[in-house]
Amino acid sequence: DVKVTQSSRYLVKRTGEKVFLECVQDMDHENMFWYRQDPGLGLRLIYFSYDVKMKEKGDIPEGYSVSREKKERFSLILESASTNQTSMYLCASSSSGTSDYGYTFGSGTRLTVV
Amino acid sequence: GESVGLHLPTLSVQEGDNSIINCAYSNSASDYFIWYKQESGKGPQFIIDIRSNMDKRQGQRVTVLLNKTVKHLSLQIAATQPGDSAVYFCAELSGGSYIPTFGRGTSLIVHP
Repeated sequence: DVKVTQSSRYLVKRTGEKVFLECVQDMDHENMFWYRQDPGLGLRLIYFSYDVKMKEKGDIPEGYSVSREKKERFSLILESASTNQTSMYLCASSSSGTSDYGYTFGSGTRLTVV
Repeated sequence: GESVGLHLPTLSVQEGDNSIINCAYSNSASDYFIWYKQESGKGPQFIIDIRSNMDKRQGQRVTVLLNKTVKHLSLQIAATQPGDSAVYFCAELSGGSYIPTFGRGTSLIVHP
């Protein structure tokens, strides 16, 4: 019944490494999102995409990039990981339909940068 | 790592009690609302949703109430169980926007 899958639950990376977080959804959703979640700060939108090869900056895009080559897959890239990017990363997807948005989250990736 | 429940309002209840979690939303044009449950270390899980043309919707042990006049949303959980312990937060969407606005959440603690 899993509909939004994030490839890793836990990751530990070194400062300066390039990090890829992968997200795949099987609901044929048009929209996909990457958030980070930190205690006391809630969910903050990093990037989103409303179509293949399209991307839009969210509230905190600095230090991140994304890739959406296929409709079902949305990747978050940390070009050079830093300790302040230690966080819980959440992927979500939604439909652009009018009946309901079906806004669904993945199970999250806890990233630690050391 | 730190729990997302830190720094949030907390509601403590006894097992078997009914719980009411509240959310004030910001946009009077919002037409779709969702409640999520997030357990420690996991992603948010959809609980129930409601459109703005309704004022009440019921699920299994949960009821969502919408008061558009005061822009208020509530989640009622009947016969609360220890497994209901989690952070609960609301989300609002307005027509034409793909991006929800999320509430900060409430940490529900259920004592056996």
